[in-house]
Amino acid sequence: QKEVEQNSGPLSVPEGAIASLNCTYSDRGSQSFFWYRQYSGKSPELIMFIYSNGDKEDGRFTAQLNKASQYVSLLIRDSQPSDSATYLCAVRSPGGTSYGKLTFGQGTILTVHP
Amino acid sequence: KAGVTQTPRYLIKTRGQQVTLSCSPISGHRSVSWYQQTPGQGLQFLFEYFSETQRNKGNFPGRFSGRQFSNSRSEMNVSTLELGDSALYLCASSPGGTSSSGLETQYFGPGTRLLVL
Repeated sequence: QKEVEQNSGPLSVPEGAIASLNCTYSDRGSQSFFWYRQYSGKSPELIMFIYSNGDKEDGRFTAQLNKASQYVSLLIRDSQPSDSATYLCAVRSPGGTSYGKLTFGQGTILTVHP
Repeated sequence: KAGVTQTPRYLIKTRGQQVTLSCSPISGHRSVSWYQQTPGQGLQFLFEYFSETQRNKGNFPGRFSGRQFSNSRSEMNVSTLELGDSALYLCASSPGGTSSSGLETQYFGPGTRLLVL
């Protein structure tokens, strides 16, 4: 089982729709969860982070965390063509062995078509 | 604040050569992490430096090494390059600290794209 798994893509949604990106993780002790967006040929850009169970909203983005189910998701409302990118879920576990280390999923490619 | 900078942005090397990549973190950040990104393996953690000390290391061979200077700038070195080392090398900066609470957000630089021929 991979440490961090994302829903297989690619995911295609029409402009204005809600895009839902999902991620599960295997380390039950994980505390910090991050979503990055990566455009083709560019480096990952932080979108959101979440530490506590529940929802966290920032503009059109909502991150949801359920530690009991070891599940984190990202919802993008009113999707725009400019949201087309690869979305990376990253998890950091506590403890000294995880200093500076994020474990990434394989990414989900999102395409928003006009 | 200026973001994370990496130099050079692109490199072409041949097998057997060595390469040194540089990373300057966000001002005030003391932790620098390095990652390798390839289409097949995705983003993989190489190592992390804080206050000139390597605190964590991923599962890469000893050909991959790094260091950090007193101004928090970091370098990574790959010796005896192999074709499989072709990748995007990313460094990420975070404030860092002695806590292991896991509440550190990382900001990535633009990366160095290395091609080994």
